[in-house]
Amino acid sequence: GAVVSQHPSRVICKSGTSVKIECRSLDFQATTMFWYRQFPKQSLMLMATSNEGSKATYEQGVEKDKFLINHASLTLSTLTVTSAHPEDSSFYICSATTLIEAYGYTFGSGTRLTVV
Amino acid sequence: GQNIDQPTEMTATEGAIVQINCTYQTSGFNGLFWYQQHAGEAPTFLSYNVLDGLEEKGRFSSFLSRSKGYSYLLLKELQMKDSASYLCAVRDRQNSGGYNKLIFGAGTRLAVHP
Repeated sequence: GAVVSQHPSRVICKSGTSVKIECRSLDFQATTMFWYRQFPKQSLMLMATSNEGSKATYEQGVEKDKFLINHASLTLSTLTVTSAHPEDSSFYICSATTLIEAYGYTFGSGTRLTVV
Repeated sequence: GQNIDQPTEMTATEGAIVQINCTYQTSGFNGLFWYQQHAGEAPTFLSYNVLDGLEEKGRFSSFLSRSKGYSYLLLKELQMKDSASYLCAVRDRQNSGGYNKLIFGAGTRLAVHP
C-alpha cells in the first residue's frame, strides 16, 4: 500500500534555530500534502495544504513566514519551522493524497519537535 | 466554516460494544473518515463513508446520515488493544484551489477495561 516516510521522528533544537521536516511518498505521487500539528491530548489541527508546484495555502492563524512549506516535487514536501520557540514544541504530521482521492489519505509517522 | 463534535472520553468493558458518535457541519461535505490513533503515533485508517448507510469492516462499522450531519463508529467485541483515540474527520470540498481539506474532530479517547 501507499507509504509516506517522515523524517526526523524526533528532534530537539535550541530556541531560535530552524528545523526542517521531510515527508516523502515512496510508491505514489502525492499531488497534495497536508501538514498538521497536534498538541498533547488534542486532535490534529490543519496548518496548511500544499499542491505540487504551487504555493501552500495556510489556515487562519498559522504564520506563513514561520512555517515554510515547500512541495517542489510529487514525492517530497518539507515543513521548516523557522526561529523555533518552546511554544512550537508539538507533534507535526503530514498527510498525502493523490488526484484520485478515493485512495484516501496516507499519513507520515509524525515528528516530535521539542524546542529548549 | 467547519465544526466537528465528538465526545471527549468513553470507557467500555472488554468484549462489549461501544458506539462513538460524531456530528459535523461543513459547507462542502465530501466524505467522512474514522481513524484510530495511539499516543505519539500516526492515525490509522478505519473507515470511509460518503453515502448514507452502514459500512461494515470486521469488528468495526461506521454509519453516515448526510441529512443529519451525523456519523457513528461501532466497535464490537472490544479488546484491550482498542484503547486509543478515535478521530472523526470530514473531507471538505474547497471552491478554490481545486483540492479537498481533511478536517479532524477533537477525538474520543476510549479506555477499554477488563
